[in-house]
Amino acid sequence: AQSVTQPDIHITVSEGASLELRCNYSYGATPYLFWYVQSPGQGLQLLLKYFSGDTLVQGIKGFEAEFKRSQSSFNLRKPSVHWSDAAEYFCAVGGATNKLIFGTGTLLAVQP
Amino acid sequence: DGGITQSPKYLFRKEGQNVTLSCEQNLNHDAMYWYRQDPGQGLRLIYYSQIVNDFQKGDIAEGYSVSREKKESFPLTVTSAQKNPTAFYLCASSIETTNEKLFFGSGTQLSVL
Repeated sequence: AQSVTQPDIHITVSEGASLELRCNYSYGATPYLFWYVQSPGQGLQLLLKYFSGDTLVQGIKGFEAEFKRSQSSFNLRKPSVHWSDAAEYFCAVGGATNKLIFGTGTLLAVQP
Repeated sequence: DGGITQSPKYLFRKEGQNVTLSCEQNLNHDAMYWYRQDPGQGLRLIYYSQIVNDFQKGDIAEGYSVSREKKESFPLTVTSAQKNPTAFYLCASSIETTNEKLFFGSGTQLSVL
């Protein structure tokens, strides 16, 4: 079955600390992988995506993610978190034209 | 500015009532989507449309209906058959039905009176 697991429902980090949000997927074909961010009461915004090539992808707002096929993971990282990064983060997987499957999200809180 | 506009921001439904959520885009995108978001459940696909006058059911289409009479518009009707309609509804669009990038509206919060 195709699925996305975000094992951390809620994470709190201090401002300036590093961040890693976990994402594991199950997908029968070559996956297209995405990270989206959602501010409260708003829609989702694409942070980054992986289709092929270099397994370390850079996104907006200083985020990056690494695709590890052997671990079926696509973890999101940021070296230094800012208070404005507090939001909910969604990992998603799909094929080239197949509908996306979203994870249940990780809510990030940033302590001053 | 190009984007997706959802209205209203908040909507209340009475028992047995149908309500319609509006979604308009001026991005000239072919594909449009409706998602339902419940706390702790992520996004679930209700309906999607690849082209005008055509649409397909997603994972949770029961109790919902859509139309796609114009490229720019993809309204969602929550019918009285949807017994648990309280949720945050998100409309999205993409250039084609590829997963290159989804553009999302700011959502409609539907609640039952």
